[in-house]
Amino acid sequence: EAGVAQSPRYKIIEKRQSVAFWCNPISGHATLYWYQQILGQGPKLLIQFQNNGVVDDSQLPKDRFSAERLKGVDSTLKIQPAKLEDSAVYLCASSSGTGITEAFFGQGTRLTVV
Amino acid sequence: SQQGEEDPQALSIQEGENATMNCSYKTSINNLQWYRQNSGRGLVHLILIRSNEREKHSGRLRVTLDTSKKSSSLLITASRAADTASYFCATAGYSTLTFGKGTMLLVSP
Repeated sequence: EAGVAQSPRYKIIEKRQSVAFWCNPISGHATLYWYQQILGQGPKLLIQFQNNGVVDDSQLPKDRFSAERLKGVDSTLKIQPAKLEDSAVYLCASSSGTGITEAFFGQGTRLTVV
Repeated sequence: SQQGEEDPQALSIQEGENATMNCSYKTSINNLQWYRQNSGRGLVHLILIRSNEREKHSGRLRVTLDTSKKSSSLLITASRAADTASYFCATAGYSTLTFGKGTMLLVSP
């Protein structure tokens, strides 16, 4: 079974530029998460989808971040415009079933904003 | 906001010793999970304990849960250098999964 795929692995952009990250969850997993992990901290949930509906986006900075999950499969997270404090690893995870079960994580995208 | 708080923030031990990490949380949970993260990589699920369970084992891992104290502990027995990583507890409420700040474990040969 293929794992969660994320791309790109690394990205360096200048502040005020835009960037997009892509995630392909494990086949059949209804729940998809995007987390932001700043160096030395734990992952912070940005947005959670159940199929293609949003379950929780309370910590998503909606003035600059957006995310979508088309057809309840792949997902894209966008930042526009980027700020220096957005430098972090962006992790995508997916899980199956009802309730909150084991989450499977991708390798993440390391974003550096200069 | 982050729900769980791990303690200690960092732990350094020798191979063969046991490592214990603690997690405290604030609100009621459906289950509590522990994850490991090696440097520069994604998180890997280790173990899940439900709110009606008190203890669970998986290989060299033992997890306890005390819902009255809103706390959990992860014990790694007979540690190996390969156990060097960051360990996170994650609390599962009704609809989402919230992570703590983690414990960095260093196991020296």
